Amino acid sequence: QSVLTQPPSVSGAPGQRVTISCTGSSSNIGAGYDVHWYQQLPGIAPKLLMYGNSNRPLGVPDRFSGSKSGTSASLAITGLQAEDEADYYCQSYDSSLSGYVFGTGTKVTVL
Amino acid sequence: QVQLVESGGGVVQPGRSLRLSCAASGFTFSTYAMHWVRQAPGKGLEGVAIISHDGSNKYYADSVKGRFTISRDNSKNTLYLQMNSLRAEDSAIYYCARDNFGSGFGSGWLGYWGQGTLVTVSS
Repeated sequence: QSVLTQPPSVSGAPGQRVTISCTGSSSNIGAGYDVHWYQQLPGIAPKLLMYGNSNRPLGVPDRFSGSKSGTSASLAITGLQAEDEADYYCQSYDSSLSGYVFGTGTKVTVL
Repeated sequence: QVQLVESGGGVVQPGRSLRLSCAASGFTFSTYAMHWVRQAPGKGLEGVAIISHDGSNKYYADSVKGRFTISRDNSKNTLYLQMNSLRAEDSAIYYCARDNFGSGFGSGWLGYWGQGTLVTVSS
């Protein structure tokens, strides 16, 4: 059972901006633990997309941005492209569970 | 470059055991915490187990506690997951992943993932 909640799906036309929320609690995001994001293309292992709330690994386009506030975090994709169609997961640490937790996952569809 | 290659998956009957391995290369294995993350067919990601860089600290998800054991051999650059008393709900792709820190507990992230190995528990 995931302790981080994401919308099941978001969609947008090419070029548009979409955002994905990740809602946690006082034992994970609200406790100050960083949020990280992963992109999973169909049939492929997840790939790190964002770390430390808002940092992009080398090679990730600046169309992707992240933020965190309170018990929630968000991933934004601006200038949506067909290749962005994938599943996205947030991840943080939970002090009550003493382990890493993942979000429920969001499928991004490019219309 | 960093490489993580899982092996050991397959079809197994309920109640039986299986051991997964993850061969690591391209980095100093003994420096980093390592994770096993699984994904059931059509489902999301679930963190299964974590082991610190030196094996002194371990974490297990409640769903596998008492049945699965994570271990590592830093001399062989290999991570393991011993899975006992397997259930149908353990069927999933199992990924090994590298933490960016050594402890595996805190604000770490998983910067590198293997390609995964499929475990199917069925009679």
